[in-house]
Amino acid sequence: GAVVSQHPSRVICKSGTSVKIECRSLDFQATTMFWYRQFPKQSLMLMATSNEGSKATYEQGVEKDKFLINHASLTLSTLTVTSAHPEDSSFYICSARGTSGRGNEQFFGPGTRLTVL
Amino acid sequence: GENVEQHPSTLSVQEGDSAVIKCTYSDSASNYFPWYKQELGKRPQLIIDIRSNVGEKKDQRIAVTLNKTAKHFSLHITETQPEDSAVYFCAATYYNQGGKLIFGQGTELSVKP
Repeated sequence: GAVVSQHPSRVICKSGTSVKIECRSLDFQATTMFWYRQFPKQSLMLMATSNEGSKATYEQGVEKDKFLINHASLTLSTLTVTSAHPEDSSFYICSARGTSGRGNEQFFGPGTRLTVL
Repeated sequence: GENVEQHPSTLSVQEGDSAVIKCTYSDSASNYFPWYKQELGKRPQLIIDIRSNVGEKKDQRIAVTLNKTAKHFSLHITETQPEDSAVYFCAATYYNQGGKLIFGQGTELSVKP
């Protein structure tokens, strides 16, 4: 139980385009989802926290107009990178926490490798 | 602000030896401390966690200790094996801020056969 999927696993796009990444909790309801970004050989940096049905809370330094987060249901959150540029190339990982019965534990998706040309 | 410091950044041990990774956190309200193992290009995998009402937890070759007074916690891996080689991250949950996780910088563990 407590499986989180992410789609796509890899995406390559041209500079200036927008990319949408989906994060789904497959067997539990995710009341809270988190979005992280990880650059090579670095740690996971929290970008934002989203609760179902409400606006996301962004971490300091993360542009909310560039990284659009929607958490429209208890099983789906999306991250849209708008007007992507090469410096946005990174590994984006979501996690979910909710009604799985395991308290604080967050369940991570497999990640999305974004490459912006 | 929220901060988790992790040391060392790299650790090389011989197979069969023990490995210890240490972390400190800044927020005394933190109440949940997970440890993750991440292989290249993969998601973080929870290997053990500890809550603030417990001082030590063990699961086979892996143990975690927590000192709330000093605000630090450590991961201990005994009888290391080559397949333990990976990057390990500690994290602390800031419960009063939506339960978000703040990660340490990571430790690249290399177990030499």
